[in-house]
Amino acid sequence: AQSVTQPDIHITVSEGASLELRCNYSYGATPYLFWYVQSPGQGLQLLLKYFSGDTLVQGIKGFEAEFKRSQSSFNLRKPSVHWSDAAEYFCAVGALNSGYALNFGKGTSLLVTP
Amino acid sequence: ETGVTQSPTHLIKTRGQQVTLRCSSQSGHNTVSWYQQALGQGPQFIFQYYREEENGRGNFPPRFSGLQFPNYSSELNVNALELDDSALYLCASSFDAALNEKLFFGSGTQLSVL
Repeated sequence: AQSVTQPDIHITVSEGASLELRCNYSYGATPYLFWYVQSPGQGLQLLLKYFSGDTLVQGIKGFEAEFKRSQSSFNLRKPSVHWSDAAEYFCAVGALNSGYALNFGKGTSLLVTP
Repeated sequence: ETGVTQSPTHLIKTRGQQVTLRCSSQSGHNTVSWYQQALGQGPQFIFQYYREEENGRGNFPPRFSGLQFPNYSSELNVNALELDDSALYLCASSFDAALNEKLFFGSGTQLSVL
């Protein structure tokens, strides 16, 4: 069965520290991979996406993600976290044999401490 | 901030009632997707409309139905409301119906079923 797993429900980092949010997927077809961010009371905003090509993808707000096919992972990273990065982060996967739906993980809640 | 607007922002209904949620897509977008986000979960795909036709559907019962109008705005209708329908309902528009199209999400309608 197709699935997306975000192993960490909550993560706390200090402002200025580096961040890595994990995402693992299980898909039979070549996946389309996304990271979205959701601030309280807001909809989702696309941070970055991967379809093909270079496996290291740059996104907005200083985020990047690396696609590792051998590990079925698409982890999100940021070298230095800002207090404004506190939010809910969702990994999502789509596949051509699944139509146009995105399958989202359950999310990781990021808390940034001073 | 996107140009996708949803109304109302909050709604309280009782079990068995019917509800209609509305979404105005971003200018130039012909595709609208609806997602249900239960508390503490990632969004789940309900269905997508492309040029006024249903273009894909997730694992939701027929009492979840939708419409897309010639101006590409959309409605989500839910009949015979159940307690488990309580969730944030998100609308997302895109320029076209393809997996690699960027989704622009509205801020959602928070539905509470009592």
